[in-house]
Amino acid sequence: QVQLVESGGGVVQPGGSLRLSCATSGFTFSTYGMHWVRQAPGKGLEWVAFIRYDGSIIYYTDSVKGRFTISRDNSKNTLYLQMNSLRAEDTAVYYCAKDGTSGNWAYYFDHWGQGTLVTVSS
Amino acid sequence: EIVLTQSPGTLSLSPGERATLSCRASQSVSSSYLAWYQQKPGQAPRLLIYGASSRATGIPDRFSGVGSGTDFTLTISRLEPEDFAVYYCQQYGSSPPTFGQGTKLEIK
Repeated sequence: QVQLVESGGGVVQPGGSLRLSCATSGFTFSTYGMHWVRQAPGKGLEWVAFIRYDGSIIYYTDSVKGRFTISRDNSKNTLYLQMNSLRAEDTAVYYCAKDGTSGNWAYYFDHWGQGTLVTVSS
Repeated sequence: EIVLTQSPGTLSLSPGERATLSCRASQSVSSSYLAWYQQKPGQAPRLLIYGASSRATGIPDRFSGVGSGTDFTLTISRLEPEDFAVYYCQQYGSSPPTFGQGTKLEIK
């Protein structure tokens, strides 16, 4: 079965950096686009970033452009999110999510990890 | 970006009753690219419906979705105890993909 397992969250000071990882199994990782979606405490869901199956196309939500970098290693079936210049408003549970369509992308999310909490606080 | 407004904010019903959740978009959602998710406390969201009306793998047929353009509805025909949760709609017809603010379905 499809499994997505995030790691790398924690407490970081404003302006700091963190790198999230998402280890995957149970599907052909190299044929699916992948996403990061976040949820601030007690709030709704917000899409953060997308990477095409081969890494050739990447999109970000405006609030993280220039600060976050999504990447993937298809040889390790792993997705990453490098987060720099972190702000208090980046505090959230970060989920990795598998796109619903192989090859091209659909931008709906058919499998999710359990999430990793990032807290930005001094 | 497309803003999705869900109503009601909270819905109080009893097991066995029918639940109707609404999602309205600020502009037309192209090709009915609308999904619904269920989220229970402390858990990740779970995909229920995509393409406005297609059930995801393993989703019981008591869940159904309809709609097009700017108005979409998720119906749960007969509520089971495990259905009480928060439900989100999400559009993916235009970038960026956006979510509604959620409807909390609680036990009456």
